[in-house]
Amino acid sequence: AQTVTQSQPEMSVQEAETVTLSCTYDTSENNYYLFWYKQPPSRQMILVIRQEAYKQQNATENRFSVNFQKAAKSFSLKISDSQLGDTAMYFCAFTPPKQGAQKLVFGQGTRLTINP
Amino acid sequence: GAVVSQHPSWVICKSGTSVKIECRSLDFQATTMFWYRQFPKQSLMLMATSNEGSKATYEQGVEKDKFLINHASLTLSTLTVTSAHPEDSSFYICSVNRGQRQPQHFGDGTRLSIL
Repeated sequence: AQTVTQSQPEMSVQEAETVTLSCTYDTSENNYYLFWYKQPPSRQMILVIRQEAYKQQNATENRFSVNFQKAAKSFSLKISDSQLGDTAMYFCAFTPPKQGAQKLVFGQGTRLTINP
Repeated sequence: GAVVSQHPSWVICKSGTSVKIECRSLDFQATTMFWYRQFPKQSLMLMATSNEGSKATYEQGVEKDKFLINHASLTLSTLTVTSAHPEDSSFYICSVNRGQRQPQHFGDGTRLSIL
């Protein structure tokens, strides 16, 4: 069974600092998708960034980037120049395309607080 | 703008009541939608896959007679919590599958409180 592990329940940094959230996963699949979702206090699920496993290049979206290490099954999220609005729960998620429709498996989440 | 509409956003009702939650895909004809449950300070757990025109596929441990799913059209899936009890109180979120290479789009969720 596929599993996703986020080993940092909580993190806290000062505004403008860089923070890295860790995520590891376990799968026997060779091709899959990985995602980071943000859930602010409003509880809306917002896609932050996604990575396709067959692409070696790390995905980037403005201040957000990932460090995808396929052999190590690691998918960390780096937030640069952190802002107060980045305060939220962050979930790493995995989906194996071979299962048909994209069933997402989520990690436990990391609660990130950006302090002024 | 929102591409997935979920209604209601919050419902409070008495124990024993049945509650229906709607999930609408506003700009995409979705053959597949998903229903998740999230307990306080926990992650999202997939409950079931809603399939248009056929029976839903439930995850292990989810009672299909308790959580009725209907996906009668390409834009609407409903989740009915039958004879709800306080332990069913949770945050329920739906999402729309927009194809294998596309990320899921989530509704804003429904907070269900059973007294």
